[in-house]
Amino acid sequence: KAGVTQTPRYLIKTRGQQVTLSCSPISGHRSVSWYQQTPGQGLQFLFEYFSETQRNKGNFPGRFSGRQFSNSRSEMNVSTLELGDSALYLCASSLASTNSYEQYFGPGTRLTVT
Amino acid sequence: GQNIDQPTEMTATEGAIVQINCTYQTSGFNGLFWYQQHAGEAPTFLSYNVLDGLEEKGRFSSFLSRSKGYSYLLLKELQMKDSASYLCAVRKRDSNYQLIWGAGTKLIIKP
Repeated sequence: KAGVTQTPRYLIKTRGQQVTLSCSPISGHRSVSWYQQTPGQGLQFLFEYFSETQRNKGNFPGRFSGRQFSNSRSEMNVSTLELGDSALYLCASSLASTNSYEQYFGPGTRLTVT
Repeated sequence: GQNIDQPTEMTATEGAIVQINCTYQTSGFNGLFWYQQHAGEAPTFLSYNVLDGLEEKGRFSSFLSRSKGYSYLLLKELQMKDSASYLCAVRKRDSNYQLIWGAGTKLIIKP
């Protein structure tokens, strides 16, 4: 099976712009979670989508949004970028049943805001 | 509230044994995970504990005590390639099984 893919891998934007990141989960996985990772902060949960519905949401401002398509692919959008949004954005997919627990991570998108 | 604590950094010697601790306080506990993350790479799954006790998988073992809110990851016969960050995460039943992550422990292996 192909792994989780994320595009683009690297991105440079300026303050005030918006950005859209894409994640394609492993075939058959219906859950996609998004995380922000910065040095020393660990993984900060953004949101989780399951069957095109947002199932969980972290404590991020409304500038961060996402969606999931019928083929389980997911996008996240950040509007009005701030310097503090510079981070590695990771998505992870899973089968998301109560008996399934392992999340598989993509390689991430490294976003730099200047 | 919910809180997960891990040491920020640890150093160990090649060939030795190291124990990385994780303590947590959370409601609706439904399992604890350990992931390994090499610098510049995505996290990869190492272990999952939902019942008390020790789970052994090759050179790596993970222990859980639910009553103490405590887990550890034990790495034996350390190799240079074990230099990485080790992330502890707790799954919560009462939040649609959302994972809550610790900040990670950076493990440095010296020859």
